[in-house]
Amino acid sequence: DAGVIQSPRHEVTEMGQEVTLRCKPISGHDYLFWYRQTMMRGLELLIYFNNNVPIDDSGMPEDRFSAKMPNASFSTLKIQPSEPRDSAVYFCASRQGLADQYFGPGTRLLVL
Amino acid sequence: GDSVTQMEGPVTLSEEAFLTINCTYTATGYPSLFWYVQYPGEGLQLLLKATKADDKGSNKGFEATYRKETTSFHLEKGSVQVSDSAVYFCASETDSGYALNFGKGTSLLVTP
Repeated sequence: DAGVIQSPRHEVTEMGQEVTLRCKPISGHDYLFWYRQTMMRGLELLIYFNNNVPIDDSGMPEDRFSAKMPNASFSTLKIQPSEPRDSAVYFCASRQGLADQYFGPGTRLLVL
Repeated sequence: GDSVTQMEGPVTLSEEAFLTINCTYTATGYPSLFWYVQYPGEGLQLLLKATKADDKGSNKGFEATYRKETTSFHLEKGSVQVSDSAVYFCASETDSGYALNFGKGTSLLVTP
């Protein structure tokens, strides 16, 4: 299996621009998670989906962040407008039921 | 709410030294506990886990025992190698059982 795939791996953008991060979970996994990693706050859960439905988005920092999962093989995390404090590594992870959670390689976002 | 606390790094050890990374958790129940490892530029990989009290998880020479009495899950390895240099994350299941709470990570550097 190819594992969890994320794109882009690196993104540099200017403040105010829209940023879209993409994730393809492992085939057959019914849970998908978005995490954010920063030096100050560590690894935080932003949102997770079950069978393409958002279950818990309490970790989404504010309305500038949105996430969708239009089908079982694709999810996006969008930031609009982006701000410098959004600079972080964003990880996508997936799992099947209560089995182990697998992480993607992450997207390193820098907002100037 | 539930949380995970682990010792701050960085930890620097000589090759073949003994490693301990402390981790404690708070939870209303008895969540499964995990150690993940992150190598430079990569996503998180599951290192080991324990699903109930007194369970010992082990992998690649690393071990951790689920201690209900002390709410701890300390990571140990008897003889570290240079290739063990990475960031180690302790995690616990959230109440839902599907997402994870992570500690802030402990950076380990092993020198020859």
